[in-house]
Amino acid sequence: EAGVAQSPRYKIIEKRQSVAFWCNPISGHATLYWYQQILGQGPKLLIQFQNNGVVDDSQLPKDRFSAERLKGVDSTLKIQPAKLEDSAVYLCASSFRDGEAFFGQGTRLTVV
Amino acid sequence: DQQVKQNSPSLSVQEGRISILNCDYTNSMFDYFLWYKKYPAEGPTFLISISSIKDKNEDGRFTVFLNKSAKHLSLHIVPSQPGDSAVYFCAASERLNQAGTALIFGKGTTLSVSS
Repeated sequence: EAGVAQSPRYKIIEKRQSVAFWCNPISGHATLYWYQQILGQGPKLLIQFQNNGVVDDSQLPKDRFSAERLKGVDSTLKIQPAKLEDSAVYLCASSFRDGEAFFGQGTRLTVV
Repeated sequence: DQQVKQNSPSLSVQEGRISILNCDYTNSMFDYFLWYKKYPAEGPTFLISISSIKDKNEDGRFTVFLNKSAKHLSLHIVPSQPGDSAVYFCAASERLNQAGTALIFGKGTTLSVSS
């Protein structure tokens, strides 16, 4: 069974630039999550999709972050414009049902 | 306000001994708890879970204990192996609405097992 795929693995951008991350969940998983993990912290949920609908985006900084999951499969997370404090690892995860989530390798973003 | 707390940032044990990783939570509505393991440059991988209706779950060398009255859970690894060296995250499942649940993570504990 293929795992959660994310790209790119690493990205370095200057502040105020924009960036996009892509995620392909495990086939058949209806729920998709985007987490932000700042160094030394645990993953923090940014947004959760159930198929192509948003379940929770209460911690997504909507003035600069956006996410979509067209057709209920792949998802993209965008930051525009980026700030220094957005430097983190962005993790995508998917799950078949409530509980256990499977994570991708993550995208390490550095904003300089 | 942290709902899931891992108060020990690091733990060092010798190979063959027991590793005990602790986790405390504040929200009594959490009904499902998970432990994830993370190696550098990789995403977290699921290790073991426990439902709030149980007080123990065992899988090979890994056992999770839940004390609901104390809002405390622990992960025991016996015997510890050098390959167990990683960051361990405790997570709790919170029901968002009828559509699904979300995982709330602690900050993690870095386990180092020396040979």
